[in-house]
Amino acid sequence: EVQLLESGGGLVQPGGSLRLSCAASGFTFRSYYMIWVRQAPGKGLEWVSGISNSDGSAYYEDSVKGRFTISRDNSKNTVYLQMNSLRTEDTAVYYCAKPMATFGWYGINYWGQGTLVTVSS
Amino acid sequence: DIQMTQSPSSLSASVGDRVTITCRASQAITHYLAWYQQKPGTVPKLLIYAASTLQSGVPSRFSGSGSGTDFTLTISSLQPEDVATYYCQNYHSVPLTFGGGTKVEIK
Repeated sequence: EVQLLESGGGLVQPGGSLRLSCAASGFTFRSYYMIWVRQAPGKGLEWVSGISNSDGSAYYEDSVKGRFTISRDNSKNTVYLQMNSLRTEDTAVYYCAKPMATFGWYGINYWGQGTLVTVSS
Repeated sequence: DIQMTQSPSSLSASVGDRVTITCRASQAITHYLAWYQQKPGTVPKLLIYAASTLQSGVPSRFSGSGSGTDFTLTISSLQPEDVATYYCQNYHSVPLTFGGGTKVEIK
């Protein structure tokens, strides 16, 4: 059974940092690109970042470029999202997500339960 | 970046009605489009990928069509359990943008 378990969310002041983790199991992690998607309270889905499976090529949505860093450790089956210089508009539930097929971007067939990040003074 | 524009943003229809949601990409994405359903308090669920392929386990009343820049999600006969927000997503190129969502309610 595929499982994606996020952790690391919480309350942080503007300008602060958080590191999200997503522990994956139930599939061959090293073969899949991985994705972070967020959803602000009462709002729609927003793709935040993605990382390729092997060379770790990283991609970001414009508003987080230079502030967020995605990484992965294939030996630990874990993907991370380091979030620096956090802004109030980064407040959202952050989902870790897995594409439905290997070695590329596809529709997302598994989502974690989400971790809430609240940026507030 | 590819922008995804969904319409309408919300709709209200009767049980049994045919419901159509459209999604337009700002540039051609061939068939690299997915549709998701999100019910309140739950994570999104993949309904359709490759613009028209039904994900396993999804009821056949859901269907998708289109290619290039214009796509459609159709519910052939709306059921009470279909109350949800529906999103399209481009997975042709990063950033893998989502549409703004369409909230479907029962009249």
